[in-house]
Formats: sequence, C-alpha cells, structure tokens
Amino acid sequence: GAGVSQSPSNKVTEKGKDVELRCDPISGHTALYWYRQSLGQGLEFLIYFQGNSAPDKSGLPSDRFSAERTGGSVSTLTIQRTQQEDSAVYLCASSYVSSGASEQFFGPGTRLTVL
Amino acid sequence: QQQVKQSPQSLIVQKGGISIINCAYENTAFDYFPWYQQFPGKGPALLIAIRPDVSEKKEGRFTISFNKSAKQFSLHIMDSQPGDSATYFCAASGGALSGSARQLTFGSGTQLTVLP
Repeated sequence: GAGVSQSPSNKVTEKGKDVELRCDPISGHTALYWYRQSLGQGLEFLIYFQGNSAPDKSGLPSDRFSAERTGGSVSTLTIQRTQQEDSAVYLCASSYVSSGASEQFFGPGTRLTVL
Repeated sequence: QQQVKQSPQSLIVQKGGISIINCAYENTAFDYFPWYQQFPGKGPALLIAIRPDVSEKKEGRFTISFNKSAKQFSLHIMDSQPGDSATYFCAASGGALSGSARQLTFGSGTQLTVLP
C-alpha cells in the first residue's frame, strides 16, 4: 500500500507570498501530524489532527500558519505572508491511534525555500 | 519540560564497531520512546521503540537501553555497517491517555558515519 505522500516536494517562493502544502496520509490512519525540520535541526511539532476532535494547534509558531484536514483524510498546511525564517522541510506523519501511542509514518517532506 | 536532549551531534565509527547515541528527557509523563532513522531527502522512519516498563529492547543489531530513574535512554548499533550511515533522532511522547500528548518531541539528531 501507499505510504504518506506530500506535495509539492519542493517549493520556492518569494517573501510575502502565501503557500499551501499538501499531505495525503495512509488510508485508515486517524491521526495526522505536521512537523517542521530546519536545516541541521530536529523536528518541531506544529499541529495534530485526531479524528473529528478539535486539532491541537499548540506548536504553530505564529498566526500566519494554519492547517485543515478535510474529510478526515487529506490535510493542507497554509503559510501566509511567508518569511525567510519559514524556510525548512515540512513533514507530515500519520498514525492509527488506538489505546496508546503508535508508530508515526512520515512522508518525504516538502522543502520550502523563501527568497 | 518538553525538551529531549541528544548527543553526540555527530559520530564516526569504523565498520563493525558499536555506535552509541544518548538521549535525556525531563518530562516524566513521557511513556513512549522511539528512535527514528533518516536518510537524506527522505522522511524519518521508525527504527525501534521502547516503553518505560522495560529496561532494554533489542531488534537485530539495534538495542535501546532505558534508565527510568535517570530519565535517559540510548541507542546501540552493534556491528555498524556503512549502510547505517544516516541521521538518527530520539523522540518521546506522552502516549497512552492524552490525545494532545501524542505528538513526538524530538532530539536534535545525530549524524552517524560508518567508515568502510
């Protein structure tokens, strides 16, 4: 079966423009996460969706960042008025959540470059 | 409280040697400790994970050692191979009961190079 897919794989944009990053999770996975990986750094949690529950947005760095998950499947991360410090690899992960923590499967990421 | 500290930042090991990467955490609510392996241009992939009810878990050449009292855990790669050259991340999450605590808190990563 297919893994987590993300598009585009690379995105170059100019400062001040808006960008949308897409994530297609593994079919049947109820949980979806977005993380950000800056050059040479670990992964930083951004937002978490679980089923129909309200998303956990506690990791979003500013109100320029937002995300939605439609129909419990595909998710879009939107960054408005991009800044150079937004340049990073944005990773999406999904998991099947039952009674405890379970493996998160990561997509290949979208490399965002803000000029 | 949410930090996971990882060391070393980089590690060079000869083929056949043992690679050891260490992590320490602060949040005692963490109850799930995975290690991820990441190759360039790829997303991280789960390597091995442990819960705090055991002190060691072994899968093939990979072993996690866990010290709950010291709030430390480590990854040991036995008989290291050039194909193991990658970036390794430790992580932790609150796991079972709290949905909002399922996100992973990652260490800063260790760049492992295994020389042929």
